[in-house]
Amino acid sequence: DQQVKQNSPSLSVQEGRISILNCDYTNSMFDYFLWYKKYPAEGPTFLISISSIKDKNEDGRFTVFLNKSAKHLSLHIVPSQPGDSAVYFCAASAMKTSYDKVIFGPGTSLSVIP
Amino acid sequence: DAGVTQSPTHLIKTRGQQVTLRCSPKSGHDTVSWYQQALGQGPQFIFQYYEEEERQRGNFPDRFSGHQFPNYSSELNVNALLLGDSALYLCASSARGMNTEAFFGQGTRLTVV
Repeated sequence: DQQVKQNSPSLSVQEGRISILNCDYTNSMFDYFLWYKKYPAEGPTFLISISSIKDKNEDGRFTVFLNKSAKHLSLHIVPSQPGDSAVYFCAASAMKTSYDKVIFGPGTSLSVIP
Repeated sequence: DAGVTQSPTHLIKTRGQQVTLRCSPKSGHDTVSWYQQALGQGPQFIFQYYEEEERQRGNFPDRFSGHQFPNYSSELNVNALLLGDSALYLCASSARGMNTEAFFGQGTRLTVV
């Protein structure tokens, strides 16, 4: 039962263009969403988060959009840089019931081509 | 600040053996979560420790157990190892009551042969 889905295993984008990574979830109890970035041989690094009371959160080149009715969120990276090449994990938690238990999606491997 | 540290970084064990992995949380953090990441998959939640007690548990058998010490460090124990237990084991720490922005260690790569 995959509660957090990332249906694109990989994505290639030209440097300077926009990268859009998508994520869908099934559990309506999820109320907090996060994106993590992972380089090889390293642990995941927190990137950006969004609470279910918002529909957008921006941090520099990274913006996360949340569509609660569609149970869908997306991460936009503008402009994309070669250093952004990594695996991106979408994650979710149900703060009110499961506190800090975070469920991860399978990840999307982003390649930014110079 | 050393961040989250895990030891060892790599480990090879034989089927049926037992293994203990260790984690020291980031300074100021009191909650430790353990994840298993198989090749090509996202991290799977194993369990979480807070105030030296297991607070949350994912869909893992009882062969997986843990412990948290008064200094907030934690151990993950796996008994009767199976080939399928081969994976990257990640420890994440956070501060209870804060947003769930967890900091991860670099992981322990366990290979069961």
